Amino acid sequence: NAGVMQNPRHLVRRRGQEARLRCSPMKGHSHVYWYRQLPEEGLKFMVYLQKENIIDESGMPKERFSAEFPKEGPSILRIQQVVRGDSAAYFCASCSMSTATNTGELFFGEGSRLTVL
Amino acid sequence: RKEVEQDPGPFNVPEGATVAFNCTYSNSASQSFFWYRQDCRKEPKLLMSVYSSGNEDGRFTAQLNRASQYISLLIRDSKLSDSATYLCVVIPYNTDKLIFGTGTRLQVFP
Repeated sequence: NAGVMQNPRHLVRRRGQEARLRCSPMKGHSHVYWYRQLPEEGLKFMVYLQKENIIDESGMPKERFSAEFPKEGPSILRIQQVVRGDSAAYFCASCSMSTATNTGELFFGEGSRLTVL
Repeated sequence: RKEVEQDPGPFNVPEGATVAFNCTYSNSASQSFFWYRQDCRKEPKLLMSVYSSGNEDGRFTAQLNRASQYISLLIRDSKLSDSATYLCVVIPYNTDKLIFGTGTRLQVFP
């Protein structure tokens, strides 16, 4: 499957623990987006990265959240000291350079569903 | 005010009906517009682009009205398989950030 791969698909954490969500973009794609979707709500932009560079993190909460996209390996969304309000589906999407603005097409993974107890 | 606003619905329509959704956006400096479709507990997928001149793809027609800052999606001859949430997407100028609306839920019944 050459699509966007996210893991884990489901993650349960207790308050105060750390959550790490991974995303492998489609082959040939150099840009990754992370979105959060709460129940009955739309997708909220969090961060946009290319390899080794954060392009736009205007949607990231100031504390506890971080994202990276290293030269080798998947993109990681890290949530430290999770709270119940972090429970959501986290979607990763990828595209090749600038295709998002040209075609509007982001290729989404199936999402990682985080539940904080 | 939200950057992109949609009526959440649900819109419940019979098979064969025509249904239309609107979406308004607040940033007049927006460059690109799209409709995505998201099935229940699935990932969103691009449905179609939206142009001022209109864009038609089979039973689906999308339209952009820049003066009034709204986007529309018209679905003709609705099928059961059209049941999904339809997300309006806007890209502001000078960014690569796709801003999603909260979505409009469509339920087509037999």
